Amino acid sequence: KAGVTQTPRYLIKTRGQQVTLSCSPISGHRSVSWYQQTPGQGLQFLFEYFSETQRNKGNFPGRFSGRQFSNSRSEMNVSTLELGDSALYLCASSLEAGGFETQYFGPGTRLLVL
Amino acid sequence: AQSVTQLDSQVPVFEEAPVELRCNYSSSVSVYLFWYVQYPNQGLQLLLKYLSGSTLVKGINGFEAEFNKSQTSFHLRKPSVHISDTAEYFCAVYGADTNAGKSTFGDGTTLTVKP
Repeated sequence: KAGVTQTPRYLIKTRGQQVTLSCSPISGHRSVSWYQQTPGQGLQFLFEYFSETQRNKGNFPGRFSGRQFSNSRSEMNVSTLELGDSALYLCASSLEAGGFETQYFGPGTRLLVL
Repeated sequence: AQSVTQLDSQVPVFEEAPVELRCNYSSSVSVYLFWYVQYPNQGLQLLLKYLSGSTLVKGINGFEAEFNKSQTSFHLRKPSVHISDTAEYFCAVYGADTNAGKSTFGDGTTLTVKP
């Protein structure tokens, strides 16, 4: 069974631009969570989607948004990029909503904002 | 609210020596506890988890952890490390209350195994 895939793996943007990251969960998994990992703040929960609905949200500004499609694939969007948005963005999938105990992580998308 | 503190940011150890990576947590609700490993340029891989039952949990790659409710700790141990164990390790808690629904990670401990 294929694991969680994230595209692209690496991305370079400039301040003020927007970016969209994609995550394809493990087949059969219906929940997708997003995390931001930075050296200064560590791993922080962004949001969780289940059945195309946002189920939980972390403490991030409205510039960070996401959505989930009917096939459970998820996208994360960051608008008006800031230098501090440079990070590794990790996606994780699980079978059910809030299924943290069955969560599998993708390899991440490394975003660099110049 | 919940929080996780990994007490050591870096742990250097020689190959075949034992190692303990320390994790303390605080939470107002019952929690599930996890340890993850992250190799360079990769995502997180689950090492082990405590959901309920026996407080001693065994995971992959020879790692184990003990849940101590009175000390609110979940320390990770391995009796004999290998060079390949060099990586960053994260402790995480997840509120067992379904309304909590959020995970909190520690800042990570970098384990460096030297020959």
